[in-house]
Amino acid sequence: LAKTTQPISMDSYEGQEVNITCSHNNIATNDYITWYQQFPSQGPRFIIQGYKTKVTNEVASLFIPADRKSSTLSLPRVSLSDTAVYYCLVARMDSSYKLIFGSGTRLLVRP
Amino acid sequence: ETGVTQTPRHLVMGMTNKKSLKCEQHLGHNAMYWYKQSAKKPLELMFVYSLEERVENNSVPSRFSPECPNSSHLFLHLHTLQPEDSALYLCASSQDGGGRRTEAFFGQGTRLTVV
Repeated sequence: LAKTTQPISMDSYEGQEVNITCSHNNIATNDYITWYQQFPSQGPRFIIQGYKTKVTNEVASLFIPADRKSSTLSLPRVSLSDTAVYYCLVARMDSSYKLIFGSGTRLLVRP
Repeated sequence: ETGVTQTPRHLVMGMTNKKSLKCEQHLGHNAMYWYKQSAKKPLELMFVYSLEERVENNSVPSRFSPECPNSSHLFLHLHTLQPEDSALYLCASSQDGGGRRTEAFFGQGTRLTVV
């Protein structure tokens, strides 16, 4: 499993764009990059997944450079309710796929 | 509402008790998981069931016993737990098929306190 490295914590203010970068230098050819969000005392929630280039949905964008050794989760115009822990995971999406979570990035959005 | 329901939401049990955690998914998925999340620690994968067969057991102590009677239900039977087993226990499900596994959907968790 590819090891991921992401900042332990980040601070932001309401209305700002937040970019959380994850490093995964030993990502394999068949690996996908997936981001989850977790609020206190709740289960993680899937945000976005990508393989290369850029993926966008109604919640976030995921930027993946050509070498795929890192990825950036972009949250546009955050609100207080975006305060959560954000996890970057890298793994094959086949039947042997195991969701292994790291420590994540604790995002605090201030008024 | 994620389509994965866990009961109870909170549980306090003594070290000599036997209790069970229940998870039910309404998503038609065929893979289910148990995770443990202790305070200030990453989620730890405990068990994985795919097509009702246990395919992963991450060196979990025998005082935790999973059961998957069908693809919609998953139980975690608990007995003679220790205080250090107090944690948030999370259930998740995903769909395996065509060599692919979808993203996982998590329940709200059961907050377990062992006294």
